[in-house]
Amino acid sequence: NAGVTQTPKFQVLKTGQSMTLQCAQDMNHNSMYWYRQDPGMGLRLIYYSASEGTTDKGEVPNGYNVSRLNKREFSLRLESAAPSQTSVYFCASGTGYNQPQHFGDGTRLSIL
Amino acid sequence: AQSVTQPDIHITVSEGASLELRCNYSYGATPYLFWYVQSPGQGLQLLLKYFSGDTLVQGIKGFEAEFKRSQSSFNLRKPSVHWSDAAEYFCAVGAGDSNYQLIWGAGTKLIIKP
Repeated sequence: NAGVTQTPKFQVLKTGQSMTLQCAQDMNHNSMYWYRQDPGMGLRLIYYSASEGTTDKGEVPNGYNVSRLNKREFSLRLESAAPSQTSVYFCASGTGYNQPQHFGDGTRLSIL
Repeated sequence: AQSVTQPDIHITVSEGASLELRCNYSYGATPYLFWYVQSPGQGLQLLLKYFSGDTLVQGIKGFEAEFKRSQSSFNLRKPSVHWSDAAEYFCAVGAGDSNYQLIWGAGTKLIIKP
């Protein structure tokens, strides 16, 4: 009963380093999402993938790239990390605007 | 464009007291409505959802919400809160022209006084 699995759970990076956050879902959902959560700002959508083979920008895409590797997996890449990208990152999956999204437990990322 | 407003950033209630968290949305047609809860250090968990039909919907953990079309509101209620309800609560709206996205409120942090 895994649902949405995110790795890693915690990460500390230095400015300029790169890394990839991994997300996998086992609910056969078509759509997947990456959000960031910062204090007092709620959830902000970074990128989403409405279906396998498609990706689209959300509200705050700058500094990020994504890959929808297959139906199960959706990764988020920071090519050159900046302190402003310190945040908690959540992956979610769903079947569209008329159904709830299911969330992973988050990745807590600090960039020094 | 659609929008969701949660007017209260923080709410403090005493344990055992009733609770109402406000959510207002902006959308021309009837949206799909959701409430989520986030406990400290955790991901978001769905509390309840409204798609159509009865405007009073029941969720998990003793929560309910009422859809009021005339007020564009979907307020969350609980008759008697427990210390374990301390968390952040998010309202979200799904709309037909939102291209698979949900539109999120900024959240309300619930603090429980012993």
